[in-house]
Amino acid sequence: ETAVFQTPNYHVTQVGNEVSFNCKQTLGHDTMYWYKQDSKKLLKIMFSYNNKQLIVNETVPRRFSPQSSDKAHLNLRIKSVEPEDSAVYLCASSVNQDTQYFGPGTRLLVL
Amino acid sequence: SQLAEENLWALSVHEGESVTVNCSYKTSITALQWYRQKSGEGPAQLILIRSNEREKRNGRLRATLDTSSQSSSLSITATRCEDTAVYFCATTGGSNAKLTFGKGTKLSVKS
Repeated sequence: ETAVFQTPNYHVTQVGNEVSFNCKQTLGHDTMYWYKQDSKKLLKIMFSYNNKQLIVNETVPRRFSPQSSDKAHLNLRIKSVEPEDSAVYLCASSVNQDTQYFGPGTRLLVL
Repeated sequence: SQLAEENLWALSVHEGESVTVNCSYKTSITALQWYRQKSGEGPAQLILIRSNEREKRNGRLRATLDTSSQSSSLSITATRCEDTAVYFCATTGGSNAKLTFGKGTKLSVKS
């Protein structure tokens, strides 16, 4: 099966903890993305990676960092979570900007 | 700021009826895409319409693009309960090539 996979589905943590979310795509795409979706369904791009190079880095807080081991994997680490980080984090991949394929998302709740 | 924006947050129709979701955008674009996001899933592309196209169809879906008024519409005919989802328009173009999503319209199809 070719798709975008994310783990975990759901994560609950305390303020100040470190969390890491995984994303893997089996579509053979060169570019991967992380989006944050808030409670009002607003989607904002956080990072994109193309062949291990960061090509778009929106003004996200420094506690967020993408980590890639190869073009099929792009993980997201949050060093010290804040309450406003509660959201759904969506990973996507694409060949070009025409079509992005999304994973099911990781829902983060910060207490 | 968001470059694309749907014009209505929520719509409700009965199964079998037709519905149209509208979108407006603020800058020149190279393409506009419509995505659908069902509950618990990531967005999935429905239609991509390029700036030199005026209409595109995909089964029961029809998208139009009017570059003079900077607007697009997505029409769904013979709606089904499984069409219940949030519908986003997303644009590429402007000052960079990233995909920018509108705020989304929540469509509920009732039996």
